[in-house]
Amino acid sequence: AQTVTQSQPEMSVQEAETVTLSCTYDTSESDYYLFWYKQPPSRQMILVIRQEAYKQQNATENRFSVNFQKAAKSFSLKISDSQLGDAAMYFCAYRSIIQGAQKLVFGQGTRLTINP
Amino acid sequence: SQTIHQWPATLVQPVGSPLSLECTVEGTSNPNLYWYRQAAGRGLQLLFYSVGIGQISSEVPQNLSASRPQDRQFILSSKKLLLSDSGFYLCASDRQGASGNTIYFGEGSWLTVV
Repeated sequence: AQTVTQSQPEMSVQEAETVTLSCTYDTSESDYYLFWYKQPPSRQMILVIRQEAYKQQNATENRFSVNFQKAAKSFSLKISDSQLGDAAMYFCAYRSIIQGAQKLVFGQGTRLTINP
Repeated sequence: SQTIHQWPATLVQPVGSPLSLECTVEGTSNPNLYWYRQAAGRGLQLLFYSVGIGQISSEVPQNLSASRPQDRQFILSSKKLLLSDSGFYLCASDRQGASGNTIYFGEGSWLTVV
């Protein structure tokens, strides 16, 4: 079974600075997807970024980028120019396919605080 | 894109009472549907998924059940709630047949069992 580990329960960063959130996973599959989701106080799950395992190039979405190390099974999220609106819980997730459906396995989450 | 509606948004129920949480999806047809639960301070855990009407698969043994009476309707139920059923429940959907397609989440339902 796949597992996802986020070793940082809480992180904080000064506004406009850069912060990196860590995530490691365990799997025996060779083809999979990885995601970072943001959960603000409203509890809505918002997709931040995703990475296909077969792509060597790291995904980027505006101020968000990942460092995907497939051999090390590491998938960290870098947030540049942090903004107050980035404050939220961040979840790393691994996607596997089960009977035609997508199963997401989530890490425990990292609570990110932005200091003004 | 898809829109997912969940209700009720908040629910306080006594131990032993029944439960019904509803989820409906707009903007797509024949979606895969999912129920996730988030316990306090934890990540989400997949409870049930459905690839079609009347087709329900359970990921973890529990006190809950799910049903899909219509293509875009997914219901989470319990006959007798336990304290351990408390949590935040999220319905999700995606489009069938497309690998790596986006999974959309509803706004969630807070359940407190007292």
